[in-house]
Amino acid sequence: DGGITQSPKYLFRKEGQNVTLSCEQNLNHDAMYWYRQDPGQGLRLIYYSQIVNDFQKGDIAEGYSVSREKKESFPLTVTSAQKNPTAFYLCATSWARTDSDTQYFGPGTRLTVL
Amino acid sequence: RKEVEQDPGPFNVPEGATVAFNCTYSNSASQSFFWYRQDCRKEPKLLMSVYSSGNEDGRFTAQLNRASQYISLLIRDSKLSDSATYLCVVKYNTNAGKSTFGDGTTLTVKP
Repeated sequence: DGGITQSPKYLFRKEGQNVTLSCEQNLNHDAMYWYRQDPGQGLRLIYYSQIVNDFQKGDIAEGYSVSREKKESFPLTVTSAQKNPTAFYLCATSWARTDSDTQYFGPGTRLTVL
Repeated sequence: RKEVEQDPGPFNVPEGATVAFNCTYSNSASQSFFWYRQDCRKEPKLLMSVYSSGNEDGRFTAQLNRASQYISLLIRDSKLSDSATYLCVVKYNTNAGKSTFGDGTTLTVKP
C-alpha cells in the first residue's frame, strides 16, 4: 500500500520529556516536510528536507529537531525546549522539482502534553 | 500583514448554491498556487493546482490574477459533502521547498 504513514496517531507526553514522531513514505519523493497546525489556524513549517542528510529550518524550528538518514524517513523530535507542543503534526512529501512540487500529506499525529 | 490571507469564514450555504473564496498573497514572485481541502481532524488533501490560464475540475473552478495577487476558488452546485475547510497555498520558488498556507476558510453546506 503506497503512501505516507505517520505514527502514532495520538501521543501523550509529560512536560519535560522529549518525544519522536515518525514519518515514512514509499512514494520515492525527494522532499519531506514537517508542519504544525493549531486549532483554527493554517499549517506552519517546522523543518524540511530536499535530499538525504540535509535539512533546513522552517518558520518555527525552535524546540524541534529532525534527521534525514534515509530517503524514506524523516522523524521529528519535539524536545522539552518547545514551550507549547500540543498540536496536530503533519508530515508531507513532494518531488523536489519546480514543475512538480505538489505536497502530499500523511494522516498526522496529535500530540498532547499533560 | 500575513503573506497569504483568506476570506474570513465561516461560509454557510444551502445545497445547490454557488460559493466563491478568495485568497490574496503578498509576494509578487510567487510561482505555484494550490487549493487544498481539509476535513475536520484530518490531513489536507490537494483539491486543485491553480494555473495562470485558470482551470476547472467538475464543479470547481480556480483562477489566478497575478496583477492583483489573488487566487479564487468557485464551487458550483454545492453538495453536503463539500463541507470542509479550504486552504490556500502559495509557493515561492526563490525559497525552494517552502510553501505558505493560509489559515483556511470553513464552508458548511446545509440541506
